[in-house]
Amino acid sequence: AQKVTQAQTEISVVEKEDVTLDCVYETRDTTYYLFWYKQPPSGELVFLIRRNSFDEQNEISGRYSWNFQKSTSSFNFTITASQVVDSAVYFCAIFHLNTGNQFYFGTGTSLTVIP
Amino acid sequence: KAGVTQTPRYLIKTRGQQVTLSCSPISGHRSVSWYQQTPGQGLQFLFEYFSETQRNKGNFPGRFSGRQFSNSRSEMNVSTLELGDSALYLCASRKGTDSTDTQYFGPGTRLTVL
Repeated sequence: AQKVTQAQTEISVVEKEDVTLDCVYETRDTTYYLFWYKQPPSGELVFLIRRNSFDEQNEISGRYSWNFQKSTSSFNFTITASQVVDSAVYFCAIFHLNTGNQFYFGTGTSLTVIP
Repeated sequence: KAGVTQTPRYLIKTRGQQVTLSCSPISGHRSVSWYQQTPGQGLQFLFEYFSETQRNKGNFPGRFSGRQFSNSRSEMNVSTLELGDSALYLCASRKGTDSTDTQYFGPGTRLTVL
């Protein structure tokens, strides 16, 4: 089965706190791509990062960082020193090359950053 | 470079009517996918078009159909609307269908069925 689980439905943090959004995936493929998207209240999904299954290097981009661990099938996303503008729904997604050839999205985590 | 555009942004229809939504991909992108987003079901894949051909289809009834034109613009049609079709319909484009191609999303069309 191809599946993405985002167990945290809603998270609230106070501004400047760090927050980690969890993403666990299931796949039978050895080749796949993982994504994170941000959906602000305006509705448009904004691409944040893509990772392929052969690259387990963690990545940092400003206040954002991603931890990819194949051993636990997880691709977690951390926001450091959160800001009010980070308030949005965040989606994790997987794309399988050989199975289904489509994107599967998690149900999203709604993050609220309280000033 | 202009992003993915969708028209209209908001639409109100009544049950039984039909609706057509439009999507213009990023210039140079030849693949267009459609998704339905609802609070209960999340983001669900409808179909993907590439070079005017439907490449992949999600698990939706035949009332949902689409097409793609030679300029890569795509339209999605829903016939005999039901209340449950109320949703945000998102269009996404990517260069091709290679797994390395990232999807970029448009702002969506919010459809309300009364």
